[in-house]
Amino acid sequence: QVQLKQSGPGLVQPSQSLSITCTVSGFSLTSYGVHWVRQSPGKGLEWLGVIWRGGSTDYNAAFMSRLSITKDNSKSQVFFKMNSLQADDTAIYYCAKSPLTGTSAWFAYWGQGTLVTVSA
Amino acid sequence: SIVMTQTPKFLLVSAGDRVTITCKASQSVSNDVAWYQQKPGQSPKLLIYYASNRYTGVPDRFTGSGYGTDFTFTISTVQAEDLAVYFCQQDYSSPFTFGSGTKLEIK
Repeated sequence: QVQLKQSGPGLVQPSQSLSITCTVSGFSLTSYGVHWVRQSPGKGLEWLGVIWRGGSTDYNAAFMSRLSITKDNSKSQVFFKMNSLQADDTAIYYCAKSPLTGTSAWFAYWGQGTLVTVSA
Repeated sequence: SIVMTQTPKFLLVSAGDRVTITCKASQSVSNDVAWYQQKPGQSPKLLIYYASNRYTGVPDRFTGSGYGTDFTFTISTVQAEDLAVYFCQQDYSSPFTFGSGTKLEIK
């Protein structure tokens, strides 16, 4: 069955970077894109970006200057990195996937979420 | 960016009631709207896609409708287990945006 499992730190120092790995099973990264979404009490759900099956990326312009999404198809892993975190980046970060190939961006599968707190 | 304005923010209902939530898009999004349910401590769960298609395994008391800018999500007969926050989302154009959520509580 399709699974997305996230791993990454829960605490990040202000101005430092956040790295989260999404390890997938039950499907191939060469067939499906993987998206990143975050959720905070103040801003709700925000779509951050996607790495498509071919390796190209699309980012939310609000985060483009400090966001990078890459992947290793052979290891079934997607890597999320956001730089220069501040307190208002405190949120739960999710990786997510559509059940369709192509460019659909509605999500039937979600990782368990990574609660990230930005604090000294 | 397309803004999804979701109303109401909060609903307090009794089991057996009918519930309607609306989302209004700031510009036409065709039928590219999904609806999610999120229970406390869980990831969102997909209920509806393409505005009116029920996802696999979703009970038929959950329905969606709409096209263009105006969308509606309905629970025909609320059950106690439907306690959750509900969100709409457009995937018509990037950045893909969400409504602010409707918290459903059961009396």
